[in-house]
Amino acid sequence: AQSVTQLDSQVPVFEEAPVELRCNYSSSVSVYLFWYVQYPNQGLQLLLKYLSGSTLVKGINGFEAEFNKSQTSFHLRKPSVHISDTAEYFCAVEAAGNKLTFGGGTRVLVKP
Amino acid sequence: DAGVTQSPTHLIKTRGQHVTLRCSPISGHKSVSWYQQVLGQGPQFIFQYYEKEERGRGNFPDRFSARQFPNYSSELNVNALLLGDSALYLCASSLVEEGQLNYGYTFGSGTRLTVV
Repeated sequence: AQSVTQLDSQVPVFEEAPVELRCNYSSSVSVYLFWYVQYPNQGLQLLLKYLSGSTLVKGINGFEAEFNKSQTSFHLRKPSVHISDTAEYFCAVEAAGNKLTFGGGTRVLVKP
Repeated sequence: DAGVTQSPTHLIKTRGQHVTLRCSPISGHKSVSWYQQVLGQGPQFIFQYYEKEERGRGNFPDRFSARQFPNYSSELNVNALLLGDSALYLCASSLVEEGQLNYGYTFGSGTRLTVV
C-alpha cells in the first residue's frame, strides 16, 4: 500500500515570494508522482508529473518539483507566486493498479 | 475537445435515499475512475473501470456501486445515503491501454453531494 504525507496543511506567502510545498510518500514498489491544484469549487488540474528520467520536473504556471528517491520526497516549488496561485495543492502517487493515492492537501494563501 | 463532464453539478438528498452520478470521459479515453473528496481532505479512490470492467475498488461499503457503458461513460450509484456521504465526487478519465502505464488522469469538476 502507498501513503502520502503533505507536511503543511496551510502555507501563507506574500505575492512575488517563493513557496515550497512538501510531500513525502511511502511505498514498497516504484511509484509515479503527481502534483494537482484545486481552485475553489473546481476539480483537480494536473500541475506536473514524474514518471522517470530527470528528477527535476517542470510543470505549468512556473511550478517545478524535485523527486528524491532516497528521501522519498517530491517537493513542489515556485520562485515567485501570484495572487492567482491561491488554491489547494495535492500530492499524489500511483503504483501498479492505476489508482491515485492523495495526500491531505496544502492550502496556499497568497497575500498582497 | 470537451473535457471530462459530470452531472449534476450539485445535488441535495435525504438520508436513506439513493443517488446516481454521471460522468462522460474525454473522447478516446477508455478508463474512468471515481474519487470521493470530503471537505478538507484529499480525494479517496472509489472505483476504476476499464473497457466496461471493474479494475479496482477502494475501501468503500457495498452501498457504493458503479458501471461503465459501451460509450465509456460511467455512473456511480450510492444507496441508503448517510450524512457522511456528503462530499465532492470526482470522475477522472485516462488514456490507458491494457497492460501499459497510465500517464495521467484528467478530472472533471465534480458533483457536490449534500445529504441532509
